[in-house]
Amino acid sequence: GDSVTQMEGPVTLSEEAFLTINCTYTATGYPSLFWYVQYPGEGLQLLLKATKADDKGSNKGFEATYRKETTSFHLEKGSVQVSDSAVYFCALSGLVRAARQLTFGSGTQLTVLP
Amino acid sequence: DSGVTQTPKHLITATGQRVTLRCSPRSGDLSVYWYQQSLDQGLQFLIQYYNGEERAKGNILERFSAQQFPDLHSELNLSSLELGDSALYFCASSVATSGNTGELFFGEGSRLTVL
Repeated sequence: GDSVTQMEGPVTLSEEAFLTINCTYTATGYPSLFWYVQYPGEGLQLLLKATKADDKGSNKGFEATYRKETTSFHLEKGSVQVSDSAVYFCALSGLVRAARQLTFGSGTQLTVLP
Repeated sequence: DSGVTQTPKHLITATGQRVTLRCSPRSGDLSVYWYQQSLDQGLQFLIQYYNGEERAKGNILERFSAQQFPDLHSELNLSSLELGDSALYFCASSVATSGNTGELFFGEGSRLTVL
């Protein structure tokens, strides 16, 4: 079945550091890929998405490129801020018995220190 | 604000009891999903409903059940509660068009504590 493997956390960075959170996936067909973010005490919010190979999703300074050849969708940000502290989830959307299903990675806790 | 509403936000109950969690999806969304988030299990898919019908089942225990009503709101019923059922329960909804890429909109969750 479909699966998502995420870089284990927690990750602690200083403000303005470069961020990479690795994500690889296993899926049949051509899934859509997502990064969701969960701020403390809140639900998950969509951060960015890519729906086909070589697409780049971007939002709030974060970027991720859909790499079909390496089955990866790594999240990057050039300069993190304290307000980026959150849990980040990589996810893929595939078809399961003709229904769209989201499969999530285990989440990566990011803490940014001032 | 995602447009998905969940109640109650917090719930404390005792082992053996039964609780009902409620979810109102975004206006126009026909699909509702329930997820359980716990520290040791991460985010686990429980069940999906589409326009009142069960569409997909994940790791949902037999003690748990759900339904989606004609007005599209959904309820998740948890019975014979155990300590291990303590978790954050999320509801999510999605659009139902053929162009759906699978994006979900999440509520803020219902935190269940079983004592």
